[in-house]
Formats: sequence, structure tokens, C-alpha cells
Amino acid sequence: DTGVSQDPRHKITKRGQNVTFRCDPISEHNRLYWYRQTLGQGPEFLTYFQNEAQLEKSRLLSDRFSAERPKGSFSTLEIQRTEQGDSAMYLCASSRDRVGNEKLFFGSGTQLSVL
Amino acid sequence: DAKTTQPPSMDCAEGRAANLPCNHSTISGNEYVYWYRQIHSQGPQYIIHGLKNNETNEMASLIITEDRKSSTLILPHATLRDTAVYYCIVRATFGNEKLTFGTGTRLTIIP
Repeated sequence: DTGVSQDPRHKITKRGQNVTFRCDPISEHNRLYWYRQTLGQGPEFLTYFQNEAQLEKSRLLSDRFSAERPKGSFSTLEIQRTEQGDSAMYLCASSRDRVGNEKLFFGSGTQLSVL
Repeated sequence: DAKTTQPPSMDCAEGRAANLPCNHSTISGNEYVYWYRQIHSQGPQYIIHGLKNNETNEMASLIITEDRKSSTLILPHATLRDTAVYYCIVRATFGNEKLTFGTGTRLTIIP
């Protein structure tokens, strides 16, 4: 069990550029979640996958955001035409696929700064 | 998910028990109380969860009132490494599996 891995840890980009983050969940975890966290706030849910199926998307996930999990293993979160308001910590979490009460395990996040 | 209310910050002396309260007055019968914490620059970490009985593990104890409208997380012997933001979350047992975080309690352990 190597934990949830996120890459990169930090990303600095200019407004208008596209960025992509990667998340590798704990192996055999079927569920994968993306959260966003701004300074002083708790993490906010963005979306989650069960295997390769994206089952829920928050209203926070605008058209500029897209998440994929093509083979039900790692996931990518892409932000197109970044804006300064996208600056945040992007957290990934995974859990097993069982009925109820499965713990979510979080990665250390990707800190995005949009200049 | 039901909302929770936590004090924004607390201090506790090192070596003492840290008692973190949480109100969840609108909790439903099928909703569990979860506690996570987030140390600076890390992702949230699971601590403990419970339904209606008190729970204890190697990290903490969880005391849930009989009416389930509030709970207390207890760190029995706080250390400096316990300085973190602690989140109390109410989560449905079935269906929607995501966690909905509030702003939590910033616990500072004082040497």
C-alpha cells in the first residue's frame, strides 16, 4: 500500500494556459475522488469515479474542467484556459467499492498557482 | 448530508487530552459521524467514525450523545504532531459516498 500519489506537487502557470494533474489511487481502490481546496476552507467535492465511470460532478466543475479515468486506474484532471480563481490545492482520494463506510484515503495534493 | 458546526479554533497543552466538539443536530438515522484531520500541506487523514456507540481506536476516541445531535473527538494525550485542522463530517451510509467538508477546527497544541 503506497498511498494515493499525485503529480505534480506544485504547478505554476500563466492565465489562459492549460494544465493537467495526475492521480494514482491505492491499487484495487475502485472509487476515485477529486476535491479542490482554497486557503482557509475545507476541501470541496468536484467529481468522483467508480472504475472508469464518472458518476457525479459538482457544479463547481465548469466546462473548462475535465476529468478522466480511462482504464479505471489512474485519473487526470485537466483545466483549460486557466483563470486566477483556479488557484487552489487539488486533492485526489480513493476508496474501495463496498456498500457504505469506506474510508477515503487522500493524496498530498497538487498546489496550482495561476499568475 | 447534514451540516456540522465546529468551533473555528482551539488550543490544548501538550500531554493533555484534546476534546473537540461537533454539533450535528439535523443528523439522520442512517448517517455516520466521521472525523478527519489535515496537517499543513497534506491531504486529509481519516481518524475515526461512528453511528451511535462510542468508538475508540489507536488515534482517538469518539463520544456520540444519545440523541446523536452532537459528538466529541478526544485525543487522549495530545502531542505537537496533533496540530492540524479537524473536520467533523456527517455521511450517509448508502448511496452518495462523497465527504462534504466544513471549515473544521484548527487545533493548536502548545508546548
